[in-house]
Amino acid sequence: KQEVTQIPAALSVPEGENLVLNCSFTDSAIYNLQWFRQDPGKGLTSLLLIQSSQREQTSGRLNASLDKSSGRSTLYIAASQPGDSATYLCAVPTSGTYKYIFGTGTRLKVLA
Amino acid sequence: GAGVSQSPSNKVTEKGKDVELRCDPISGHTALYWYRQSLGQGLEFLIYFQGNSAPDKSGLPSDRFSAERTGGSVSTLTIQRTQQEDSAVYLCASSLGSGNTIYFGEGSWLTVV
Repeated sequence: KQEVTQIPAALSVPEGENLVLNCSFTDSAIYNLQWFRQDPGKGLTSLLLIQSSQREQTSGRLNASLDKSSGRSTLYIAASQPGDSATYLCAVPTSGTYKYIFGTGTRLKVLA
Repeated sequence: GAGVSQSPSNKVTEKGKDVELRCDPISGHTALYWYRQSLGQGLEFLIYFQGNSAPDKSGLPSDRFSAERTGGSVSTLTIQRTQQEDSAVYLCASSLGSGNTIYFGEGSWLTVV
C-alpha cells in the first residue's frame, strides 16, 4: 500500500528565500510523480509531472527532483514570492497503477 | 469551457437524502478521477475510470457511494442516504491518459445537515 508523507506540514518564510519541500513515499515502483498547489477554497493546480525515468523537471522558478530508489521527491522554489503562498501537494501512484495517492501537503506562507 | 467542470458547486442536503454530483472532464481526456477532501484533511481517492476499462472502485467508502461514466465522458458520483460524515469537497479530475498531467475541477462542496 502506497503511503505518502510531506514534511514540513507548514512553513513560513520571508519573501525572496529559496525553499525546499519534501515528499516521501513507501512504494518505489511508480510510473511518475506529480506536484500540485491548492489555494484556499479552490481545486488543485498542476505544477510539475516528473516521470520515473527522470531525475529532475523544471518550470520557471520551480524544480522537482525524484529519487525513486530512496522514495523521495523534492520541490525547490526559488526566490519565493507572496503569490506562492498555498498548500503544496505531491501525488504518487500505487505500484503498477495510475491510482494517485496524495500527501497531506505543506502549507506555505511567504511573507512580504 | 476548457477545464474540468463540476456541478453543483455547492449543495446542502438533509441527512438521508440522495445526492448526485456531476463532472464534465476536459474533452478528449480518457482518464477520470474522483477524490474527497474533508475539512482540513488530505485528498482521499474514491474511484478512477480509464477509457473502457473496468473502473478502480477501491476507494469508495461504502456501498452508499457509486459512480458511473457515460460514453467515456461525463461522470456522476451518487451518494445515497447521505450522512453527516459525507460532508466534504468532492473533487473531480481528468487526464489525457494514464500517467499524464491531472487537471482538477473546482470541486462540489457538499454539506449534510
